[in-house]
Amino acid sequence: DIQMTQSPSSLSASVGDRVTITCRASQSINFYLNWYQQKPGKAPRLLIYDASRLQSGVPLRFSGSGSGTDFTLSISSLQPEDFAAYYCQQSYSLPPTFGQGTRVEIK
Amino acid sequence: QVQLQESGPGLVKPSQTLSLTCTVSGGSISSGRYYWSWIRQPPGKGLEWIGHIYYSGSTYHNPSLKSRVTTSVDTSKKQFSLELSSVTAADTAVYYCARGGTVPEAYYDSWGQGILVTVSS
Repeated sequence: DIQMTQSPSSLSASVGDRVTITCRASQSINFYLNWYQQKPGKAPRLLIYDASRLQSGVPLRFSGSGSGTDFTLSISSLQPEDFAAYYCQQSYSLPPTFGQGTRVEIK
Repeated sequence: QVQLQESGPGLVKPSQTLSLTCTVSGGSISSGRYYWSWIRQPPGKGLEWIGHIYYSGSTYHNPSLKSRVTTSVDTSKKQFSLELSSVTAADTAVYYCARGGTVPEAYYDSWGQGILVTVSS
């Protein structure tokens, strides 16, 4: 299985901050990398697929980049509703695998 | 807009079989574009993909669970199901059903709300 490693595991930030989360794959996955947001007690929500494609309805402050083994999720100006956990997931090979998550907390 | 809803027992005894069903509404389970997946999340932990099924009945299960997992689909009822045998406390988790593709389009754009299944005597 392809291992996905996110960093940091958690971060504290203020409203308006720019936030960047990184995800590294244990082997090249081309651009087949997806990002999800999960709020407590809720199902994950797809934010970005294929590394940089914004899912319909997702605010433009979210963006993704990267290819090969290294990827980033950026939030340009953190909003109160963005405090949540974020997960990366590779869709290059079966089984799909997820990173361990990054918790974005209020500073 | 498609909606998914999990149903099944919230409590299962160790060594027994966990059985869940996902009902799809607002869209077709037989569209041909999508695979129907099960994903779980132990309390306070990350996400683990269990397996998926196509409307034709074709399946793929996570090798880490493969020998214990059975999935099935009933297109007439717009439902797909999961059975996980010989459960232990380690199988306690929120179980989600989700709609996605297969590789390289195996990303999940619609999810059920999740159902907490506790394995305990």
